[in-house]
Amino acid sequence: DTAVSQTPKYLVTQMGNDKSIKCEQNLGHDTMYWYKQDSKKFLKIMFSYNNKELIINETVPNRFSPKSPDKAHLNLHINSLELGDSAVYFCASSQDRAGGLETQYFGPGTRLLVL
Amino acid sequence: AQKVTQAQTEISVVEKEDVTLDCVYETRDTTYYLFWYKQPPSGELVFLIRRNSFDEQNEISGRYSWNFQKSTSSFNFTITASQVVDSAVYFCALRSYDKVIFGPGTSLSVIP
Repeated sequence: DTAVSQTPKYLVTQMGNDKSIKCEQNLGHDTMYWYKQDSKKFLKIMFSYNNKELIINETVPNRFSPKSPDKAHLNLHINSLELGDSAVYFCASSQDRAGGLETQYFGPGTRLLVL
Repeated sequence: AQKVTQAQTEISVVEKEDVTLDCVYETRDTTYYLFWYKQPPSGELVFLIRRNSFDEQNEISGRYSWNFQKSTSSFNFTITASQVVDSAVYFCALRSYDKVIFGPGTSLSVIP
């Protein structure tokens, strides 16, 4: 029933570990996104995939790697976690055919805390 | 360079008052999109509206309305007859080609 789901909802881990956050949408959308919201609530887009193809890749460390096995999934893998990676990560999707971002549906967010 | 400014960090209004949240943007591109998002205290993000640079028509959706003025590079958001459920942080954003920039957000508190 959930449109955009993320797992896990909370993730507490040690510095240096590798972790993944999964995102799935059941809306049949073509485009998926990852956003990061830091402790000061600043929002930033990290990646956008359209039909499994990377279309936005903002300046993020290459420790972050998105993986899209199919157009319903966009997972975020993070290597060698650092304290500064602590944030809330939101996944979203949209039916984006025209190049502009149409109505986006967001997942509930994954709260990542790196100790 | 692209920039989105939301000069109002925090706003408090009494229920049923009207409130306008300001958004001023900078871009040299002629094709771009502007957005508003809501983040209530529960933390989820809610998409409110998208407007492209060629469509300056104002939009109304219930108690929400948006005023896009290219001449002043502004895309302001007005809530009419505010309600406690409108209490949230509101983000304005600009997309131009593959760049997306968010404003810092305006925290709106509606007091009963």
